[in-house]
Amino acid sequence: RKEVEQDPGPFNVPEGATVAFNCTYSNSASQSFFWYRQDCRKEPKLLMSVYSSGNEDGRFTAQLNRASQYISLLIRDSKLSDSATYLCVVNPDDMRFGAGTRLTVKP
Amino acid sequence: GAGVSQSPRYKVAKRGQDVALRCDPISGHVSLFWYQQALGQGPEFLTYFQNEAQLDKSGLPSDRFFAERPEGSVSTLKIQRTQQEDSAVYLCASSLNSDGNEQFFGPGTRLTVL
Repeated sequence: RKEVEQDPGPFNVPEGATVAFNCTYSNSASQSFFWYRQDCRKEPKLLMSVYSSGNEDGRFTAQLNRASQYISLLIRDSKLSDSATYLCVVNPDDMRFGAGTRLTVKP
Repeated sequence: GAGVSQSPRYKVAKRGQDVALRCDPISGHVSLFWYQQALGQGPEFLTYFQNEAQLDKSGLPSDRFFAERPEGSVSTLKIQRTQQEDSAVYLCASSLNSDGNEQFFGPGTRLTVL
């Protein structure tokens, strides 16, 4: 079983839709959690950290559920420019990336 | 602004050839990471440096892979006797602090082994 698992998608949604991704992790000692965004043939870029109490950044909301060992990312009012692969990252002692969830937002 | 740079951006090697991939991290960043990313997959951790010390090399797939950061700045990932399964994008990332959080990635080196 992989340490970090994500639904690979693809998720195809219309502009303005709300979409949510989940990511499960196996190492209960994990302390830090992140969502990165990766555009096609580009490097990953940090989207947001995930805090225990949950956090929001504009249209993006991240949640952590330690008991069930998953994190989530919610995107409201999807834009065309949100189309990308979203990578879940878990840090027990080094960074473990999920395989990514591909999102396509269509007009 | 100066981000993380990597060179070469593209490398084609014949099977059995040795290659060296270079990473210039953001100036002053303590932590440096190497990842391997195959097509359609997330980055897989290879190795981690804190300044010049290689603290974790558990992700290196074989003893053909070797990384160094002798002066705590520029790092080189060397792959000896390349094999076709080494074909991937090799990403370097740096982080300001030793905790490795908030990593800034370079554009990667796309290695193709024929």
